[in-house]
Amino acid sequence: QQKVQQSPESLTVSEGAMASLNCTFSDGTSNNFRWYRQHSAKGLEVLVSIFSDGEKEEGRFTAHLNRANLHVSLHIREPQPSDSAVYLCAVSNNVGDNSKLIWGLGTSLVVNP
Amino acid sequence: AQTIHQWPVAEIKAVGSPLSLGCTIKGKSSPNLYWYWQATGGTLQQLFYSITVGQVESVVQLNLSASRPKDDQFILSTEKLLLSHSGFYLCAWSLGDSSAETLYFGSGTRLTVL
Repeated sequence: QQKVQQSPESLTVSEGAMASLNCTFSDGTSNNFRWYRQHSAKGLEVLVSIFSDGEKEEGRFTAHLNRANLHVSLHIREPQPSDSAVYLCAVSNNVGDNSKLIWGLGTSLVVNP
Repeated sequence: AQTIHQWPVAEIKAVGSPLSLGCTIKGKSSPNLYWYWQATGGTLQQLFYSITVGQVESVVQLNLSASRPKDDQFILSTEKLLLSHSGFYLCAWSLGDSSAETLYFGSGTRLTVL
């Protein structure tokens, strides 16, 4: 059974400083990695999807995948207070089949002005 | 543009009472539809998914059921609520084609069972 763990549990950064979030997974055949965020028990907003090793950038959000290390990270460039939210990592070994996504518990990010 | 609407926004119910949560998607035909549940402090768990009208697959058994009576509608229900049903329920849709699909979520329903 796939295990997805996120770290840190919580992170506080100052506005403008890079924020880096981590996600480790246990299934080395995983090929579908998603980062979402959730503002205060509202719906989830998709940020970045990545399917092969390397980097994928979407605006200020960059995902970096290293499947050999079972690790995918999210970097937020120039974070703003409005980026304060819970960031969730989701992983599966089946691209295109969201019924198999396994979710982490999230990292709570606070961006101070 | 596609929109996803969930109702109600919040619900407080008694143990043993029935429940019905709804979700509609506008602007996209034949989407894949999903129900997710998040206990307070817990991870997001997929409950059900549906790829077409009348067809629903259960992923996690929580004494809940789901139905898709129309192409754009997904209903989550139970006849008898348990305390453990409390949490945040999210409906989501995806394109339903063979490409790498992104999930798009509704704004959720906060359920408190007393």
